[in-house]
Amino acid sequence: DVKVTQSSRYLVKRTGEKVFLECVQDMDHENMFWYRQDPGLGLRLIYFSYDVKMKEKGDIPEGYSVSREKKERFSLILESASTNQTSMYLCASSFGRRELFFGEGSRLTVL
Amino acid sequence: KNQVEQSPQSLIILEGKNCTLQCNYTVSPFSNLRWYKQDTGRGPVSLTIMTFSENTKSNGRYTATLDADTKQSSLHITASQLSDSASYICVGGSNSGYALNFGKGTSLLVTP
Repeated sequence: DVKVTQSSRYLVKRTGEKVFLECVQDMDHENMFWYRQDPGLGLRLIYFSYDVKMKEKGDIPEGYSVSREKKERFSLILESASTNQTSMYLCASSFGRRELFFGEGSRLTVL
Repeated sequence: KNQVEQSPQSLIILEGKNCTLQCNYTVSPFSNLRWYKQDTGRGPVSLTIMTFSENTKSNGRYTATLDADTKQSSLHITASQLSDSASYICVGGSNSGYALNFGKGTSLLVTP
């Protein structure tokens, strides 16, 4: 079974802190994605990566950056966390345009 | 602009009953239609993926249908169980790029 593992299920950070969210997949998928999910808004794409060191902006990239140094690992970085970045963050991976496999999510609260 | 709209927003049914969730999509160029189940506080899990040439696909008690002419899809749940209580998300995939278009989900509660 494909496994997508997110490093932290729950995080609490203060405004202005730098935040790292890590995601690792074990199925050699070339595509990896970061979404945020907010009540009433559904899932929105922040960034995705289709290969090592490659990245593309999604719908809401402002305030975020990403890093993909190895194929299995995709990191989401909040350079200076703000309260409006309080959300559920979901990582996903896929092979081509096939089925998307999600991690369990990281719920971030910024105080 | 690509859009995926789901109805109803929420639904409550009795255990053992059937239900149908609806999805209307405007995705161009259209490639596939997906349904995901998301338990509270967990990541979404894929139920079905249908390409434009498929009319129906089943996964256990879940059956998805697709009408590419009317741009509508439905998810039918048979003999509901308490564990079916979750949010069900409809997703439209395009042939253009990797972006997917997510609906806001239907929240289903199955009561004893």
